[in-house]
Amino acid sequence: DGGITQSPKYLFRKEGQNVTLSCEQNLNHDAMYWYRQDPGQGLRLIYYSQIVNDFQKGDIAEGYSVSREKKESFPLTVTSAQKNPTAFYLCASSIRAAGGSTDTQYFGPGTRLTVL
Amino acid sequence: QQQVKQSPQSLIVQKGGISIINCAYENTAFDYFPWYQQFPGKGPALLIAIRPDVSEKKEGRFTISFNKSAKQFSLHIMDSQPGDSATYFCAASKGTNKLIFGTGTLLAVQP
Repeated sequence: DGGITQSPKYLFRKEGQNVTLSCEQNLNHDAMYWYRQDPGQGLRLIYYSQIVNDFQKGDIAEGYSVSREKKESFPLTVTSAQKNPTAFYLCASSIRAAGGSTDTQYFGPGTRLTVL
Repeated sequence: QQQVKQSPQSLIVQKGGISIINCAYENTAFDYFPWYQQFPGKGPALLIAIRPDVSEKKEGRFTISFNKSAKQFSLHIMDSQPGDSATYFCAASKGTNKLIFGTGTLLAVQP
């Protein structure tokens, strides 16, 4: 069963704590992405990775960090430096890296993070 | 230049009616325009997408109309059904796979 999995579905964090959100894909996609979704807003790009061991900042990278040690995994860490971390976080992947025409992005089910 | 403006913010349509959602962009370098459908608590799923070399693309009840000169594109849902009730996002990108999303339209189809 191919797809993108995100865990956990719900996550609660105390202020001042770092937390890591998991994203795994078995689609053999090269590129992976992290988006943040807030009520009434579109999806905003946090980080993206086009290949293993390489990633770039998106539009709202401050207070977040990522790693891409394996093709199938792209974890996102929400650090204590992120001032307003409560949001719905979505991971996505696409079949190939940039260079050609844009490829379809497939999304995971999301993780809802709440800061207490 | 990087924004995609989407309207309306919310839409109520009767069952069997036509739902129309509009998006406008500024960056003429955009060459890929997808529409995503999102149900509550779920990730978005690609509904239909178009490239600027065609003016219209139809898949079942869903149609994208594209007006390159006006820098606008729209989603039409024919014979709208209660199961179509969801949030719809337009997006645009140029080559880098960095999608720029609109702010979303919450569609409610009343039975």
